[in-house]
Amino acid sequence: AQSVTQLDSQVPVFEEAPVELRCNYSSSVSVYLFWYVQYPNQGLQLLLKYLSGSTLVKGINGFEAEFNKSQTSFHLRKPSVHISDTAEYFCAVSESGGSYIPTFGRGTSLIVHP
Amino acid sequence: DVKVTQSSRYLVKRTGEKVFLECVQDMDHENMFWYRQDPGLGLRLIYFSYDVKMKEKGDIPEGYSVSREKKERFSLILESASTNQTSMYLCASSSDRGRNQPQHFGDGTRLSIL
Repeated sequence: AQSVTQLDSQVPVFEEAPVELRCNYSSSVSVYLFWYVQYPNQGLQLLLKYLSGSTLVKGINGFEAEFNKSQTSFHLRKPSVHISDTAEYFCAVSESGGSYIPTFGRGTSLIVHP
Repeated sequence: DVKVTQSSRYLVKRTGEKVFLECVQDMDHENMFWYRQDPGLGLRLIYFSYDVKMKEKGDIPEGYSVSREKKERFSLILESASTNQTSMYLCASSSDRGRNQPQHFGDGTRLSIL
């Protein structure tokens, strides 16, 4: 069965600085990977997804993530963050041929300071 | 765009009450999910439904039941509400076209049991 680890529960950063949110997964088969964002008092919305092909995936709001199969990682990056990026970020994985139920990480709270 | 609508954003109930949380999606998705979100614990799956009248228990089904009489509607029922069920509840849906399909979330219901 797959598992997802988000190594940082909280990441504080200053506005306009770069940020990386880390996600590692464990699976013995091919996977599909997702990042979701949850703004305060809202549900989750899809930020980006890796299905196949190019390992660098671009998403909404200037975010991108890189799939690294050898390191079983899917880290999320943004070169310059804004105050409005303050939110909870969740990494999720689904296994090819597995259940329709994805496995979520516990989330990383990104706090952008002015 | 997929729209997942949860009937209430905020709800306050008393212990022992029977509580209904409603969720409706407008994209003809086969899969629907109920999650509970608590600080530090991430998303925990309560129940999953893959078709009308079909359901599977998730990680924390105790004290909850579900109903799916129509494809677009998935209800979560707290049979006898208790204070430890105070939480944020998130509904989600996804297509069964493949495990690479992302989930679409409602805005959540913040439930307080007094």
